[in-house]
Amino acid sequence: DQQVKQNSPSLSVQEGRISILNCDYTNSMFDYFLWYKKYPAEGPTFLISISSIKDKNEDGRFTVFLNKSAKHLSLHIVPSQPGDSAVYFCAASRSGSRLTFGEGTQLTVNP
Amino acid sequence: DTGVSQDPRHKITKRGQNVTFRCDPISEHNRLYWYRQTLGQGPEFLTYFQNEAQLEKSRLLSDRFSAERPKGSFSTLEIQRTEQGDSAMYLCASSLARFASGSGETQYFGPGTRLLVL
Repeated sequence: DQQVKQNSPSLSVQEGRISILNCDYTNSMFDYFLWYKKYPAEGPTFLISISSIKDKNEDGRFTVFLNKSAKHLSLHIVPSQPGDSAVYFCAASRSGSRLTFGEGTQLTVNP
Repeated sequence: DTGVSQDPRHKITKRGQNVTFRCDPISEHNRLYWYRQTLGQGPEFLTYFQNEAQLEKSRLLSDRFSAERPKGSFSTLEIQRTEQGDSAMYLCASSLARFASGSGETQYFGPGTRLLVL
């Protein structure tokens, strides 16, 4: 049972444009959502998070949107930079314990 | 650097051998998690500790896997009688749970240990 899904395995954008990565979940008990960035042969690096009591959280170039009724979250990166090229994972937790991850989306930002 | 560290970074072993991995969390963090990641997938939860108590284990964690956090600081993950299917990246993460429910805690990951079983 895949409770967190990232339906786009890959995304390619031009430098300076917006990158939008999407994530859907099925478990309505999830109350905390996170985005991680991962380079090959490294561990995931935390980017940004959002609690289920909010619908938006912003940190510099990164904004996460949460639509609880649709069980959907998205990560917006503006402007995109070549150094943003990596695999992005969304993750969700319930009452602060294990993280359930999506399959990841490979973002490529072209110069 | 005071991030999560893992040792070794790479391990190659023969089927049937035992292996042990170590994780040192961020010093003030009370929770420590182990995940496993295979190619093309997101990390999958294995087990976690709050201080020295092991609070949850995934059904993915067969009897050949054991984890400890003896003094509530570093943790070890041992795999006995390794199988080729154990080949994966083993990730450790730590967090600081401030509230009883721990809601809203952010987990910070180490660099991982890549295991290859021949």
